[in-house]
Amino acid sequence: GAGVSQSPSNKVTEKGKDVELRCDPISGHTALYWYRQSLGQGLEFLIYFQGNSAPDKSGLPSDRFSAERTGGSVSTLTIQRTQQEDSAVYLCASSLLFRASGGRAGELFFGEGSRLTVL
Amino acid sequence: AQKITQTQPGMFVQEKEAVTLDCTYDTSDPSYGLFWYKQPSSGEMIFLIYQGSYDQQNATEGRYSLNFQKARKSANLVISASQLGDSAMYFCVTSYGKLTFGQGTILTVHP
Repeated sequence: GAGVSQSPSNKVTEKGKDVELRCDPISGHTALYWYRQSLGQGLEFLIYFQGNSAPDKSGLPSDRFSAERTGGSVSTLTIQRTQQEDSAVYLCASSLLFRASGGRAGELFFGEGSRLTVL
Repeated sequence: AQKITQTQPGMFVQEKEAVTLDCTYDTSDPSYGLFWYKQPSSGEMIFLIYQGSYDQQNATEGRYSLNFQKARKSANLVISASQLGDSAMYFCVTSYGKLTFGQGTILTVHP
């Protein structure tokens, strides 16, 4: 597809279960970002990838959260032993270039998000 | 580290009037960019406008313009001739590293 694709779009799970959220960025985009957004709130940075490496993991809320990116393309965000406070919309975005001097090439293209509800 | 501040949690404007949404930032990077995104109630994120730190002129995109004051580290978004469809959450974003988002401003356009 032409845009950023995220799956699943909706996930309801029980507390304590593990979940995997997938992001398929726009082909050729080197940078990939994961954010979390609670209802009516701003975006909370989780992690970003430049290629397959993640220079900044400081936003991951706890060691229950992990993410990987393979082949410079698809990324998976894994939440282990989910808690109710993990309930949110998880947004993935990609951009063509990572560096600030990339100008408009740093524009983020967002997926539609994965809504996670932990019961 | 970078920090973005949007001091207006909510703004109200009459249809067809102009409105300014504030954004200040704090960065030590000499080269950076600033984006504004719009998020309507549907949840999608829509790119509005981009300003590079070395751009000589303020950015404009249709009804959107950016009042960029580099020395003051502010990048306010100006929406002219507001429309009902402009009602949404607006985010100011720095462009470098982890792309820091401001807290957002909810704009409501009244008929």
